Amino acid sequence: GAVVSQHPSRVICKSGTSVKIECRSLDFQATTMFWYRQFPKQSLMLMATSNEGSKATYEQGVEKDKFLINHASLTLSTLTVTSAHPEDSSFYICSAREAGHPNQPQHFGDGTRLSIL
Amino acid sequence: GQQLNQSPQSMFIQEGEDVSMNCTSSSIFNTWLWYKQDPGEGPVLLIALYKAGELTSNGRLTAQFGTTRKDSFLNISASIPSDVGIYFCAGTSGTYKYIFGTGTRLKVLA
Repeated sequence: GAVVSQHPSRVICKSGTSVKIECRSLDFQATTMFWYRQFPKQSLMLMATSNEGSKATYEQGVEKDKFLINHASLTLSTLTVTSAHPEDSSFYICSAREAGHPNQPQHFGDGTRLSIL
Repeated sequence: GQQLNQSPQSMFIQEGEDVSMNCTSSSIFNTWLWYKQDPGEGPVLLIALYKAGELTSNGRLTAQFGTTRKDSFLNISASIPSDVGIYFCAGTSGTYKYIFGTGTRLKVLA
């Protein structure tokens, strides 16, 4: 149980392109999903918290107009990197928390490797 | 953002040896999680801890919620090559957000 699917797993695109990444909870409902960014050999840095039916909460220093988040249903959140540039290249990982107690563990997707040329 | 300190940063061990790593926080937490991440993949949940002093096992893995509520420990017994990866701790004080550790990179020599 508690499977999170992330798509695509890898994206290579030109500078200026917008890229959409999907995060789905396959066998549970997730009122809250999280988007992380991970640089090589570093830990996960929380970018934003995606709340179903409401606006996402962004961490300090994360541009909300650059990283658009939509959480339209209890099983799907999307992250759109708008007008991506080489410095946006990174490993992006989503996680989802089952609806219920706030301390429920987060379950992660397999990540999306984004490379901007 | 805030991170938890994990120790050691990396370790090389021989197959069959036991492994110990820990995670410390300046804040009190009421939940600790341990994850393993393989290269190019997302972290996979290993163990969740919800009470101070709690000791929980998952196969060869055992984790403990420190009694001060500011630390947690993970032990791997009789390591095998597939244990290689990065181990992350994560903790929360009851908000919806988890803070992640800096990671322990484990390499197992056959």
